[in-house]
Amino acid sequence: GAVVSQHPSWVICKSGTSVKIECRSLDFQATTMFWYRQFPKQSLMLMATSNEGSKATYEQGVEKDKFLINHASLTLSTLTVTSAHPEDSSFYICSADPNTASGWYEQYFGPGTRLTVT
Amino acid sequence: DAKTTQPPSMDCAEGRAANLPCNHSTISGNEYVYWYRQIHSQGPQYIIHGLKNNETNEMASLIITEDRKSSTLILPHATLRDTAVYYCIVREAAGNKLTFGGGTRVLVKP
Repeated sequence: GAVVSQHPSWVICKSGTSVKIECRSLDFQATTMFWYRQFPKQSLMLMATSNEGSKATYEQGVEKDKFLINHASLTLSTLTVTSAHPEDSSFYICSADPNTASGWYEQYFGPGTRLTVT
Repeated sequence: DAKTTQPPSMDCAEGRAANLPCNHSTISGNEYVYWYRQIHSQGPQYIIHGLKNNETNEMASLIITEDRKSSTLILPHATLRDTAVYYCIVREAAGNKLTFGGGTRVLVKP
């Protein structure tokens, strides 16, 4: 099956610094990628939809200036958490849409990145 | 908001079938039912999806009621590795946004 990778798998950073998380589709091209955030014992919450070559679409309540998304190629999307604070500590998960011509498709999820801000 | 309702948790015995219910009473005609599962500290894994017919693959079976207002995911022979949170999601075929609800936390016991 299709594989989505994330890097790093975990990161610890100091409050006020920025952290970049990469999401790659390894064996397919993805016009659309998604970024989710998951707090302990909670469900996944969609943060934004990332489209290759255009601006990301953010869900209500997600600060676009804090969570910068870049989708510069069909296999790579990045999420940068700027000026991170302890409350940004979470499990960040990306997914990619192979965008098949069949009209329906499953999203393939990455393994997640655990961010801890101290 | 998630358009599905699932029991928060359930236990099942190893080797037995696990039947996971999901209510989606407001599902519209062009929406599919998808099932994903998430093992602790991993990304979600696709299991199966369907529109109105029952579906089966190597992982599970999906039974959708005739009125499409509910469905059941069946794991035919649960193993300890099936312990996970199972999410039932409805979404349009042409759309690709997945809205996760609370899911069902399944614990498979020896």
